[in-house]
Amino acid sequence: QVQLQESGPGLLKPSETLSLACTVSGDSISSYYWSWIRQPAGKGLEWIGRIYSSGSPNYNPTLKSRVTMSVDTSKNQFSLKMTSVSAADTAMYYCARITEVDWFDPWGQGTLVTVSS
Amino acid sequence: SFELTQPPSVSVSPGQTATITCSGDALPKQYAYWYQQKPGQAPVLVIYKDTERPSGIPERFSGSSSGTTVTLSISGVQAEDEADYYCQSTDSSGTYVFGTGTKVTVL
Repeated sequence: QVQLQESGPGLLKPSETLSLACTVSGDSISSYYWSWIRQPAGKGLEWIGRIYSSGSPNYNPTLKSRVTMSVDTSKNQFSLKMTSVSAADTAMYYCARITEVDWFDPWGQGTLVTVSS
Repeated sequence: SFELTQPPSVSVSPGQTATITCSGDALPKQYAYWYQQKPGQAPVLVIYKDTERPSGIPERFSGSSSGTTVTLSISGVQAEDEADYYCQSTDSSGTYVFGTGTKVTVL
């Protein structure tokens, strides 16, 4: 059974770079697309981007200028970097596997990132 | 990209049927997916490809599609079904979009 676990700093200052990792267990990271999704408290879900073990990632056009995703197959892990964060980036960040290129299943438990001075 | 619109809230009595709609211009051409999110938890897939139910999801969850609207129905609603529900779809450029979300309240 595949499981995903997010990790990374929970508190950032404005203008810093957010760095998160998602460790995949129970499945090879080389077999699927993988994605990051975020959710501000009390609000809806926002897709951030997706990546495959090979090939170019795809990003949400609204975040594309600040986001970079990468894969480390040796660690069975994929990562998210978001530059120049602001309070608007405060959210729960989830990683998820993309099945048949179309839907998200399963999801990690999420990690809360707070941006505050 | 495109938008997916859901009603903000739906209220239903136990044992009745909850119906949640999701509307979007791309839906006649793209599949829709539904997720259940309970407070403090990650979303869970409950319907894929408009009408298919993943293993482990109760039979009371069903999906349908007609034109620009897809619908999630929960028959015989139970207290444990109280949650937020999100639809999701994709466009041809590889962009994923979530609906605005619907809070289901079991009276």
